[in-house]
Amino acid sequence: GNSVTQMEGPVTLSEEAFLTINCTYTATGYPSLFWYVQYPGEGLQLLLKATKADDKGSNKGFEATYRKETTSFHLEKGSVQVSDSAVYFCALWEYGNKLVFGAGTILRVKS
Amino acid sequence: DTEVTQTPKHLVMGMTNKKSLKCEQHMGHRAMYWYKQKAKKPPELMFVYSYEKLSINESVPSRFSPECPNSSLLNLHLHALQPEDSALYLCASSRLAGSETQYFGPGTRLLVL
Repeated sequence: GNSVTQMEGPVTLSEEAFLTINCTYTATGYPSLFWYVQYPGEGLQLLLKATKADDKGSNKGFEATYRKETTSFHLEKGSVQVSDSAVYFCALWEYGNKLVFGAGTILRVKS
Repeated sequence: DTEVTQTPKHLVMGMTNKKSLKCEQHMGHRAMYWYKQKAKKPPELMFVYSYEKLSINESVPSRFSPECPNSSLLNLHLHALQPEDSALYLCASSRLAGSETQYFGPGTRLLVL
């Protein structure tokens, strides 16, 4: 079945540091890939998505590139802020199937 | 506008109570979802409605009863819950059930005493 594996957290960074959160997936076909963010005490917000190989999703300074050859969709940001502290979920969706989430990665940014 | 609203924000109920959670979207989406999220875990799908009809029930106990009165509204009726049902309940919607992008509401944080 489909699955998503994320790097374990928490990830703790200083403000303005470079962020990478790794995400790899297993799927039978050609899924769409997503990053969702959940701020403390809130619901999930769609951060970015990519629907086919080599697509790059971007939003709010975050980027992720759909790499079919490595089945990966790593999240990156050049300079994190304290306000980026949240839980980040990588997810995949294939037509006719459920949205499958990774376990989530906690990001803590210190000032 | 990609807003899904949920009420109430917080709910405390006893095991003999009956309560309802409400979800609303005005994006013209025809698919709506209920998820349950325990602390430090990803959301787990409970129900999917497509064109106001229940299309997926992920073997959810009958003490949870969903209802979709119209294309904009989704309710979750709760009765005789257990303490282990305490969680964040998230509603989501998408353009169609086969559409890839789901938009989530802020959730209702439920505590069962």
